[in-house]
Amino acid sequence: AQSVAQPEDQVNVAEGNPLTVKCTYSVSGNPYLFWYVQYPNRGLQFLLKYITGDNLVKGSYGFEAEFNKSQTSFHLKKPSALVSDSALYFCAVRPPPYSGAGSYQLTFGKGTKLSVIP
Amino acid sequence: DSGVTQTPKHLITATGQRVTLRCSPRSGDLSVYWYQQSLDQGLQFLIQYYNGEERAKGNILERFSAQQFPDLHSELNLSSLELGDSALYFCASSGLVGGGYLSTDTQYFGPGTRLTVL
Repeated sequence: AQSVAQPEDQVNVAEGNPLTVKCTYSVSGNPYLFWYVQYPNRGLQFLLKYITGDNLVKGSYGFEAEFNKSQTSFHLKKPSALVSDSALYFCAVRPPPYSGAGSYQLTFGKGTKLSVIP
Repeated sequence: DSGVTQTPKHLITATGQRVTLRCSPRSGDLSVYWYQQSLDQGLQFLIQYYNGEERAKGNILERFSAQQFPDLHSELNLSSLELGDSALYFCASSGLVGGGYLSTDTQYFGPGTRLTVL
């Protein structure tokens, strides 16, 4: 079974400082990893994904994520936080195609609330 | 805007009632996924349809059912509603033509339907 852990319920960071939102995963085979963001009363917006290739993935709104296979982590980062980045962030994992998994839906972490303080 | 539409945005109903949630996927997407977001369970996968056929089931109650129509829109039917069914229900779509239901394509989420059961 696949699982995702987001160890921090909340992350506070000052505007202009770098931010990191942590995610670790467990899945059989090579993982497909995703980050989504949810603003209040809105749906989930796709930020970025790792399928294969370079361990540093760049996404929307200046976000990037670093895949670390040995540590089974996929931390979300941004060099300089904006107040408008304040939202709920979800890490998700799915098994790769043809891995023998029963299904290929996303399994989400519990979410991390990011607050960027002016 | 993800291109996935969901109606209605809000739904308030009483215990024991039946409701239908509707989802229109992005143009060309063949897969539709339904997820439930609640405070205690987080984001959970319910069911996936691909080109009209059920492909995967998650933690979906027997009181819930779904279908995908020839025009690819999908409906989630919730019956004998209980207080605990109150949640945000998301639809997501992926899998452009040719990608198959195992596609690596990103899932794009709709704005959700907030269901309140009184």
